[in-house]
Amino acid sequence: DVKVTQSSRYLVKRTGEKVFLECVQDMDHENMFWYRQDPGLGLRLIYFSYDVKMKEKGDIPEGYSVSREKKERFSLILESASTNQTSMYLCASRASGGRAKDEQFFGPGTRLTVL
Amino acid sequence: QKEVEQDPGPLSVPEGAIVSLNCTYSNSAFQYFMWYRQYSRKGPELLMYTYSSGNKEDGRFTAQVDKSSKYISLFIRDSQPSDSATYLCAMKKGGSEKLVFGKGTKLTVNP
Repeated sequence: DVKVTQSSRYLVKRTGEKVFLECVQDMDHENMFWYRQDPGLGLRLIYFSYDVKMKEKGDIPEGYSVSREKKERFSLILESASTNQTSMYLCASRASGGRAKDEQFFGPGTRLTVL
Repeated sequence: QKEVEQDPGPLSVPEGAIVSLNCTYSNSAFQYFMWYRQYSRKGPELLMYTYSSGNKEDGRFTAQVDKSSKYISLFIRDSQPSDSATYLCAMKKGGSEKLVFGKGTKLTVNP
């Protein structure tokens, strides 16, 4: 069964802290994504990666960076957390190639609160 | 104008009702159209996938795409309490990795 896991379901951090959100997929997918989901704004793409060590900015990359050292793992980093980064963070993965493989598989999300 | 518009609801219907969920979009380059379902405190999961225009049916669910009107719909027949969730439309251009999501419509089906 397809699985995307995220390191924490709930996280509370202080302003200015460095925050790491980890995502692991067991499907050998090439592509991985980080989104944030906010009421009234929907899902917004932060960064995505189409291969190890490769990354592309999404629609709202400011204040975030990412790391993909291994195919199965994609990390989102908040260098200096701010209160406006309080949100639900969702990781997703998908295979490459072919119309039938357009499906993105999502993890359960990490609810991050920055105080 | 936003690329994808979706009425956030909330929508509340009695069990057994036919539900219609809709999205409009502005970018004619979108070719792939999806509906995701998201239960409370879970990640979204793909429900329906359609390429270009036309209808697709899967059990009680029907997805429709009208590219000439830039309008997509999801119909749920004989709705059940277990259908209570947020439904997100999503679409993408050919050759792109990026999905553009609607804001989601929250549906409650009352027993």
